[in-house]
Amino acid sequence: DAMVIQNPRYQVTQFGKPVTLSCSQTLNHNVMYWYQQKSSQAPKLLFHYYDKDFNNEADTPDNFQSRRPNTSFCFLDIRSPGLGDAAMYLCATTTSGSLTGELFFGEGSRLTVL
Amino acid sequence: AQKITQTQPGMFVQEKEAVTLDCTYDTSDQSYGLFWYKQPSSGEMIFLIYQGSYDEQNATEGRYSLNFQKARKSANLVISASQLGDSAMYFCAMREGLGNTGFQKLVFGTGTRLLVSP
Repeated sequence: DAMVIQNPRYQVTQFGKPVTLSCSQTLNHNVMYWYQQKSSQAPKLLFHYYDKDFNNEADTPDNFQSRRPNTSFCFLDIRSPGLGDAAMYLCATTTSGSLTGELFFGEGSRLTVL
Repeated sequence: AQKITQTQPGMFVQEKEAVTLDCTYDTSDQSYGLFWYKQPSSGEMIFLIYQGSYDEQNATEGRYSLNFQKARKSANLVISASQLGDSAMYFCAMREGLGNTGFQKLVFGTGTRLLVSP
């Protein structure tokens, strides 16, 4: 059974039209991450939540926002998508008590911007 | 500075043969972790194997083994007896930031695309 679920798997939006991607997890992990992965590139961390605390990476554009209403859910909001925001968005979770720090990933949401 | 370097954009291997995917890393921390993830075309990142910096023995998980050479800062993945289903992108990653807060951040390399042929 999938433990980290992302919706939608595929999202098509128009230039400048806001989009929201969701992530839910059944692992009760307290840390959740959003990574952006452009074609043929390494996943790049956008931000993460440690419990309720939001931590933005220094180079994450303001266009990207996130919400975590409870432990299980996390949302990625792209306020005004540009063509350069077309990518796979990966949600991942872990627990701060993990000895290895292994991340558990969802299947990703692939965003197309027209 | 690049923290994880994967120099092989693509690798080809015949079914049932072994293949080594290269990974070098850069860190000044004494405590760190190294991971390999597999990403099929479906997009999901699948955890394969983990090596801690203090682990004296190379990690093994089934057909996967990690050739950890600490002095050289390399953590190569060895896949034995390749299968057609092994065709995918493979990412090496390093854990940073594990401290009192327990926060772990993974930094990924650019990946190696492995193609297994019959």
